[in-house]
Amino acid sequence: AQSVTQLDSQVPVFEEAPVELRCNYSSSVSVYLFWYVQYPNQGLQLLLKYLSGSTLVKGINGFEAEFNKSQTSFHLRKPSVHISDTAEYFCAVSVWPGTALIFGKGTTLSVSS
Amino acid sequence: KAGVTQTPRYLIKTRGQQVTLSCSPISGHRSVSWYQQTPGQGLQFLFEYFSETQRNKGNFPGRFSGRQFSNSRSEMNVSTLELGDSALYLCASSVGQANSPLHFGNGTRLTVT
Repeated sequence: AQSVTQLDSQVPVFEEAPVELRCNYSSSVSVYLFWYVQYPNQGLQLLLKYLSGSTLVKGINGFEAEFNKSQTSFHLRKPSVHISDTAEYFCAVSVWPGTALIFGKGTTLSVSS
Repeated sequence: KAGVTQTPRYLIKTRGQQVTLSCSPISGHRSVSWYQQTPGQGLQFLFEYFSETQRNKGNFPGRFSGRQFSNSRSEMNVSTLELGDSALYLCASSVGQANSPLHFGNGTRLTVT
């Protein structure tokens, strides 16, 4: 069975600093990997996805993630964060069949000035 | 294109009652899935419907049920409500392939008293 572990529940950073949100997954089969962001009182929005091919995936709002099969990781990075990046971030792995996702517990990113 | 619409946004029910939540997917999307979000358990997959058929189901009791109509709109029903059912219920739609991203609504906040 698949599972997702987000290693940090909260990550506080200062504006314009780089950030990395860590995600490890467990699966016995090939998977699709996703990062979603949730702003207060809203649903989730897709940041980026890894399906196959290049292990470095670029997403919206300047975020990128690197798929590492040997370490079963899919860490999310941004070189310079803004106050507006404050939100909760979820890593997810697909479940076959269909489109169901297993989510990690989430990482709260707090950006301060 | 209009996004995923969930109604109502807020609901307050009493323990033992039942509730029906509604979800209108993005036009052209044939898959609708439901998730429960709570502070303790995070995001948990309830079920997915594709072309009016349940394609996948999470690990929830039979009190949680759903259906999908021919226009892809979906409803979720919870019977015999318990205090622990208080949560944000999120609906997501997609074209239905495993590698296709989910588009989430803003959720229905259910409070059981």
